Amino acid sequence: DVKVTQSSRYLVKRTGEKVFLECVQDMDHENMFWYRQDPGLGLRLIYFSYDVKMKEKGDIPEGYSVSREKKERFSLILESASTNQTSMYLCASSPMPPREQYFGPGTRLTVT
Amino acid sequence: SQQGEEDPQALSIQEGENATMNCSYKTSINNLQWYRQNSGRGLVHLILIRSNEREKHSGRLRVTLDTSKKSSSLLITASRAADTASYFCATPSTGANSKLTFGKGITLSVRP
Repeated sequence: DVKVTQSSRYLVKRTGEKVFLECVQDMDHENMFWYRQDPGLGLRLIYFSYDVKMKEKGDIPEGYSVSREKKERFSLILESASTNQTSMYLCASSPMPPREQYFGPGTRLTVT
Repeated sequence: SQQGEEDPQALSIQEGENATMNCSYKTSINNLQWYRQNSGRGLVHLILIRSNEREKHSGRLRVTLDTSKKSSSLLITASRAADTASYFCATPSTGANSKLTFGKGITLSVRP
């Protein structure tokens, strides 16, 4: 079974803090994704990566950056957290050629 | 931009009844996928139907795809309380087959 793990289920940070969300997959997938999910807005893609050190902006990259130094690990970075980044963050991976995506359990981030 | 849109937004049924959920999309696709999300958790892939398929079954799930109408339906037969969840359709983003665009989801409540 594919397993995608995220570093925290719940996280509370203060405005202005630098926040790291980590995602690890164990199936040697080439593609990895970061989404945020908000009520009424569905899932929105922040960034994705199709290979080590490769990244592409999604629909809402502002205020975020990512890092993929190893194939199995994809990190989302909030350089200076703001209250409007309070959300559920979901990581996913998929193989190449792309088909279904496998999701982690999510991190509920609250920025106060 | 929103590709898949689900209908209805919310559905409440009695255990044992069938649940039908619909998804419409705008542009040509090579596949359409359905996912389930239990409250506060990550998404789980349910089924993928390719553009050259009209119907696909998986256990109590039946998915249809009508490419002429750009629509898909997900039928859950003999529903159970454990089917209570949000359901999302997803389609590959135009020009970037690794990415998926998700609808906003349908909230299904199955009353015991």
